[in-house]
Amino acid sequence: QKEVEQDPGPLSVPEGAIVSLNCTYSNSAFQYFMWYRQYSRKGPELLMYTYSSGNKEDGRFTAQVDKSSKYISLFIRDSQPSDSATYLCAMSVNAGGTSYGKLTFGQGTILTVHP
Amino acid sequence: KAGVTQTPRYLIKTRGQQVTLSCSPISGHRSVSWYQQTPGQGLQFLFEYFSETQRNKGNFPGRFSGRQFSNSRSEMNVSTLELGDSALYLCASSPWTGRPGELFFGEGSRLTVL
Repeated sequence: QKEVEQDPGPLSVPEGAIVSLNCTYSNSAFQYFMWYRQYSRKGPELLMYTYSSGNKEDGRFTAQVDKSSKYISLFIRDSQPSDSATYLCAMSVNAGGTSYGKLTFGQGTILTVHP
Repeated sequence: KAGVTQTPRYLIKTRGQQVTLSCSPISGHRSVSWYQQTPGQGLQFLFEYFSETQRNKGNFPGRFSGRQFSNSRSEMNVSTLELGDSALYLCASSPWTGRPGELFFGEGSRLTVL
């Protein structure tokens, strides 16, 4: 069983829809939670960053973390064709400041927003 | 500010050969991490370097190795290539301060092994 499981998709939604992307994890040592976005033929880029349970909002994007259920989500409101990409959840332990670059990623969800 | 630069972008090798990939991090970033991305396994952590020292290593065989130079530039090497090594190899840099997990990725080196 993988440490991080991501709803595989793919997802295809009309422009303006609300999108929900989800990941579950089994390692309770994960402290930092991220969503990366990867466009075709590009490297991933950080979209959202959280480290506590609750919601964090940034424009049309909301990241939600529930540590008790080991569950994180990303919501995209008013989705646009430019949001079409692969979305990857990622998690980090970084116990004692020993790692800044070791992440465990979900498999990724391919999202297509059609006009 | 220039981003993370990876070279070469594309390369084709045959089984048994070896390959060296290069990564130049963002100026001022002292940590470099390497990832392998495949359709089947997704993004998997290879190793992380800071101040020329390997700080963490993923679950990959010893054929995969890396190093970091005093200017923070990094290389990774794969020896005795296998077909399964075909993948996108991504390099990411971070300042080794601030937010753990906040990485800046390059566009990757796509390796095809025939």
